[in-house]
Amino acid sequence: GESVGLHLPTLSVQEGDNSIINCAYSNSASDYFIWYKQESGKGPQFIIDIRSNMDKRQGQRVTVLLNKTVKHLSLQIAATQPGDSAVYFCAERGGGFKTIFGAGTRLFVKA
Amino acid sequence: KAGVTQTPRYLIKTRGQQVTLSCSPISGHRSVSWYQQTPGQGLQFLFEYFSETQRNKGNFPGRFSGRQFSNSRSEMNVSTLELGDSALYLCASSSQSQLEQYFGPGTRLTVT
Repeated sequence: GESVGLHLPTLSVQEGDNSIINCAYSNSASDYFIWYKQESGKGPQFIIDIRSNMDKRQGQRVTVLLNKTVKHLSLQIAATQPGDSAVYFCAERGGGFKTIFGAGTRLFVKA
Repeated sequence: KAGVTQTPRYLIKTRGQQVTLSCSPISGHRSVSWYQQTPGQGLQFLFEYFSETQRNKGNFPGRFSGRQFSNSRSEMNVSTLELGDSALYLCASSSQSQLEQYFGPGTRLTVT
C-alpha cells in the first residue's frame, strides 16, 4: 500500500544551526509533495511544496530536496529559530486529490 | 482573506450519539478535505469534496459521512460514536487550480 514515513520521530537542534528533516515515500506515482508545520493547538501550516519534475525548491529559510531514485524527501531549515519548534509532516499527493501524510517529526530548538 | 474556520472548536459526546462538524473554506476555494488526527494513527484522510461532489474517500467506515453546500461550506457527520472516534478533526481548503491546502484549527472531539 501507499505510505509516507519519516526516518526520525524527534530532532533536537541548537538555535542558529541548520535542521534537516527526512522523509521516505513508497508511491512512485505521486507527483506532488508537501511539507507542513504544525504547532501545538493549531492545524498544519503549509511550508513548501515540490513537484516530481523538480529535485530542489527553495523558500524563505527552507529548502526541499526530492530524490526520486531512492524515493526520499527532505526539508532543510536554515538558521533554525525557537519559533521553528513544531511537528513537521511530509505528505504526498497522487491523482485524485488524496493527500497521504507521514507520521511527523517533532523539532526541538535549544536556545 | 479570512482563513479556514471550523465549528465547534471543542465537543464532548457520549458513545452512540452522533455529531456534525462544520467547516467554512477560504473565500473562493471550492475544494474541502477532511482529516482525522490522532496520536496513534497520525493524520488520516477522510474525504474530499469539490463543487458539492465527493471526489475521493479514505478508508473509514460508513459512519463517517460528509457533504458540501453550494457556498462550498462543508459538514461532516459521525453517527453511532465510538470511543475511538475521539480525535482532532481537521478541515482543509484549496482552490481549483492550487494543490496547496490551507487547514483550519480543527475540532477536538472527545467521546466518553
